[in-house]
Amino acid sequence: DAKTTQPPSMDCAEGRAANLPCNHSTISGNEYVYWYRQIHSQGPQYIIHGLKNNETNEMASLIITEDRKSSTLILPHATLRDTAVYYCIVRQDGGATNKLIFGTGTLLAVQP
Amino acid sequence: DAGITQSPRHKVTETGTPVTLRCHQTENHRYMYWYRQDPGHGLRLIHYSYGVKDTDKGEVSDGYSVSRSKTEDFLLTLESATSSQTSVYFCAISEPLGGLTHGYTFGSGTRLTVV
Repeated sequence: DAKTTQPPSMDCAEGRAANLPCNHSTISGNEYVYWYRQIHSQGPQYIIHGLKNNETNEMASLIITEDRKSSTLILPHATLRDTAVYYCIVRQDGGATNKLIFGTGTLLAVQP
Repeated sequence: DAGITQSPRHKVTETGTPVTLRCHQTENHRYMYWYRQDPGHGLRLIHYSYGVKDTDKGEVSDGYSVSRSKTEDFLLTLESATSSQTSVYFCAISEPLGGLTHGYTFGSGTRLTVV
């Protein structure tokens, strides 16, 4: 599975959009981009995933560049409860070895 | 999360003693995973299972064994606990749908301290 690079930390003002970048320059054609977050002391929580097209759900939007070498997770109106570590993961889907490999993620601090 | 429970939530044990952590799911998901989380390392995969009696090693499997005799239960055993195994352990489940796995669902974690 391809490796990802994320900034170790970011700040965002409450109510503003939080844009979390992720580089995955070695991603291969059949690898998906997944985003998870972990609020302090809790288990990670799935946010969104995508292959090529931009995706949106009730939690966030995922923007993937045309060459798929980077992506951005967007939280449109960040709240204090969005303070967490956000993990960007790329992996193949299907098959028996469907394991997620976590990096160290980005600590997003939402400021009042 | 609803559908996946870990037990115990907290445990303190002595070096050299065996310890078993349990992950129980009610979702009938095929895949189950054990991770450990330590400061500075993020989450690291210990073992995983892709069906009853089908298990494989992850990136940090030394000192751990697992068993899955039923779909709903995935047990992680530390045969002889060491202080380096002090950590927070997370279980996760996932299910392939049409060849794709959607999100993993994680348990609330077990905090293990080996003294």
